[in-house]
Amino acid sequence: DTEVTQTPKHLVMGMTNKKSLKCEQHMGHRAMYWYKQKAKKPPELMFVYSYEKLSINESVPSRFSPECPNSSLLNLHLHALQPEDSALYLCASSPQREAGRETQYFGPGTRLLVL
Amino acid sequence: AQSVTQLGSHVSVSEGALVLLRCNYSSSVPPYLFWYVQYPNQGLQLLLKYTSAATLVKGINGFEAEFKKSETSFHLTKPSAHMSDAAEYFCAVRKIQGAQKLVFGQGTRLTINP
Repeated sequence: DTEVTQTPKHLVMGMTNKKSLKCEQHMGHRAMYWYKQKAKKPPELMFVYSYEKLSINESVPSRFSPECPNSSLLNLHLHALQPEDSALYLCASSPQREAGRETQYFGPGTRLLVL
Repeated sequence: AQSVTQLGSHVSVSEGALVLLRCNYSSSVPPYLFWYVQYPNQGLQLLLKYTSAATLVKGINGFEAEFKKSETSFHLTKPSAHMSDAAEYFCAVRKIQGAQKLVFGQGTRLTINP
């Protein structure tokens, strides 16, 4: 099973709302990632968790708050977002056993619209 | 810093024709290189990757890519395009050490004409 699942598929939220994106994998991977992808652009790395610890934060605004409750689950908590945060949010995971050569497996993404 | 450049934001070929998508990398050390495909409204799927084992890499769906150090290139090819190949293709580079960051090129949209 090489599947990464993400919920919800679509999310519409106002600028004062609080919402969360969820990502799950059952491949035993120990690295998990959040990416942001704007229309017609490549994915941009936001956060990396390695063994449930935050290892990379790409200077993401604090209105995005990641959480890794266990090795299979990754959340992204959203609060007070701006319309420019509307994008496709992709989750990915990798084994964390082969350093750079290993494959990152991507989920289908959550398409977020901030009104 | 490692980076990749994809030449051509949009490539259009006829069904049955050769597909060639270009990717050049910039790296001070031999990198790990990846090609991903993204179909509309979907996530990214790995097509193939170069990890220094062999310079000619075969991937899924009939795609292959050749690593050429002298040209700092990793171009993606497929001998005969199929309508189902229409998608966005991303080349990506990852450092060999300190290697959690995957850096993507700008992407190439492939259109297949009937």
